[in-house]
Amino acid sequence: DQQVKQNSPSLSVQEGRISILNCDYTNSMFDYFLWYKKYPAEGPTFLISISSIKDKNEDGRFTVFLNKSAKHLSLHIVPSQPGDSAVYFCAATRRLNSGYALNFGKGTSLLVTP
Amino acid sequence: KAGVTQTPRYLIKTRGQQVTLSCSPISGHRSVSWYQQTPGQGLQFLFEYFSETQRNKGNFPGRFSGRQFSNSRSEMNVSTLELGDSALYLCASSFDNYGYTFGSGTRLTVV
Repeated sequence: DQQVKQNSPSLSVQEGRISILNCDYTNSMFDYFLWYKKYPAEGPTFLISISSIKDKNEDGRFTVFLNKSAKHLSLHIVPSQPGDSAVYFCAATRRLNSGYALNFGKGTSLLVTP
Repeated sequence: KAGVTQTPRYLIKTRGQQVTLSCSPISGHRSVSWYQQTPGQGLQFLFEYFSETQRNKGNFPGRFSGRQFSNSRSEMNVSTLELGDSALYLCASSFDNYGYTFGSGTRLTVV
């Protein structure tokens, strides 16, 4: 049962424009959300995160928005650059037996064209 | 500082064999998690270790096991390999259970 869903397998954006990647979740117990970027043959690299007590977090060109009532979060990249082309994974955590497990979406492949 | 190191990077095994993968976390990180990435299922949580104890386990059969040593290094073992076990196996370490740093993974191919 996929608790974190990224319904867009791919996205193409022109350089300089905004990229918006979306993510939905079903488990209301999730308390922390993360975005990872992944290049082929490499492990995921942490980008940005947000706690369930916030609705927005910014870090440079990256902003994550959280809408708890809709169980939806989004990652905005402004402006998009060709080097941003990668697969982006949304992940959510829930506390389990004093530890954490990341639940990942299946990823969105972003292509930023010059 | 050194990142999360996984060895080997690539592995080819025959169906029915068993395999052990290794993960060295970032120095000071006591939590180590393992994930399986396949094209169809995406990234799925296998298990998490903290101070040599398994704290959490995902929905994988008992053929998948792991352990953590006193220096926080972790190993993952898969017995009686099946073709469907072919995947990228990722290890992640964490200090505070919120910031996870991933290794580059071990690509396992079962033939």
